[in-house]
Amino acid sequence: EVQLVETGGGLIQPGGSLRLSCAASGFTVSSNYMSWVRQAPGKGLEWVSVIYSGGSTYYADSVKGRFTISRDNSKNTLYLQMNSLRAEDTAVYYCARVGMSIAEGHVFDPWGQGTLVTVSS
Amino acid sequence: DIQMTQSPSSVSASVGDRVTITCRASQGISSWLAWYQQKPGKAPKLLIYAASSLQSGVPSRFSGSGSGTDFTLTISSLQPEDFATYYCQQANSFPPWTFGQGTKVEIK
Repeated sequence: EVQLVETGGGLIQPGGSLRLSCAASGFTVSSNYMSWVRQAPGKGLEWVSVIYSGGSTYYADSVKGRFTISRDNSKNTLYLQMNSLRAEDTAVYYCARVGMSIAEGHVFDPWGQGTLVTVSS
Repeated sequence: DIQMTQSPSSVSASVGDRVTITCRASQGISSWLAWYQQKPGKAPKLLIYAASSLQSGVPSRFSGSGSGTDFTLTISSLQPEDFATYYCQQANSFPPWTFGQGTKVEIK
């Protein structure tokens, strides 16, 4: 069964750092495009970052320079290192596999259950 | 960046009703459009990709259409389990990938 499980969320003070993890099963992280998508409380979905199978990384302007996406192939796990956190980073963070085929385009499927990050003093 | 605009932001409907949600892209995206369903406290679920292709396991009462800048999600006969928020997403070649603001389907 293809599954993603996020961990690492919590309450953190503004300016602090946090690392989220996303453990995958049923497929190989390094052979796929993998993304983080977040959702602020009561708000819509916002794409955050992607790591391509070849290792290239891209970020939303809102997190560029503060967040770093990476993966550990031996653990089949995706990470998001979040530094210089702000109140506006408060959200549920989802990891998701990104479609790579021409037929489907870059869609997000499946998704993890999400982990809540709260940035507050 | 490509902006995605959904309408309406919410719709009240009854079981058995036909519901239509529209999504407009700020520039042409061919058929690179996906639709997701999200229930409270749950992760989004992919319903439709490539504008009109039904994801495996999704009921046939869901359908999608459109190309270029204008797209539609239709639920032909609303079921109790369909009350949720629906998002469109442009699935174009390069990031950033953007979502519509969501449409909440509520019980009338």
